[in-house]
Amino acid sequence: NAGVTQTPKFRVLKTGQSMTLLCAQDMNHEYMYWYRQDPGMGLRLIHYSVGEGTTAKGEVPDGYNVSRLKKQNFLLGLESAAPSQTSVYFCASRTIGAFHTFGSGTRLTVV
Amino acid sequence: DAKTTQPPSMDCAEGRAANLPCNHSTISGNEYVYWYRQIHSQGPQYIIHGLKNNETNEMASLIITEDRKSSTLILPHATLRDTAVYYCIVRVGSSQFYFGTGTSLTVIP
Repeated sequence: NAGVTQTPKFRVLKTGQSMTLLCAQDMNHEYMYWYRQDPGMGLRLIHYSVGEGTTAKGEVPDGYNVSRLKKQNFLLGLESAAPSQTSVYFCASRTIGAFHTFGSGTRLTVV
Repeated sequence: DAKTTQPPSMDCAEGRAANLPCNHSTISGNEYVYWYRQIHSQGPQYIIHGLKNNETNEMASLIITEDRKSSTLILPHATLRDTAVYYCIVRVGSSQFYFGTGTSLTVIP
């Protein structure tokens, strides 16, 4: 039981490049979330999903897209990376009425 | 729109109780309060949650005021490994949660 696994753990992108962050959970959780955390700040919600095939916007969705084709996976895409997207990205999942289980994070630098 | 307010930082002597406050004055009647902590830049870790009554588990105790407008997380015997950022969070809307900036707790030897 691995919990929530994020890949990759580190990535450096050039401005304008695209990439996809993968989040996988093996707990059969319905809800999945993508947050970003910038220095000195708390976690801000980018997008979330309440079930397979569903996605919704959070607090800071601009510049990102997501997909949840399978219940266990939640993908976060950056179509054209910008330096403002340099951040640590956390994925989390939870079941109904329960707490979040977080992954270990992806550290992304856009140069 | 339920949000939370926490002091930005606190110190606590090793072995003493650490009491971390949180204001959530706009919380609705059926919403839980959750506490997490984040050590260094790891993913946040769940600690405890509660609705109305005080709660205790192996990690901490949670005291919620009768009017539910505030709560206090208690680490009964703080250790150096408890140095972390502690987040008090509530649900916002149907499925979203508000994390805020948390309290940076430093346990001093």
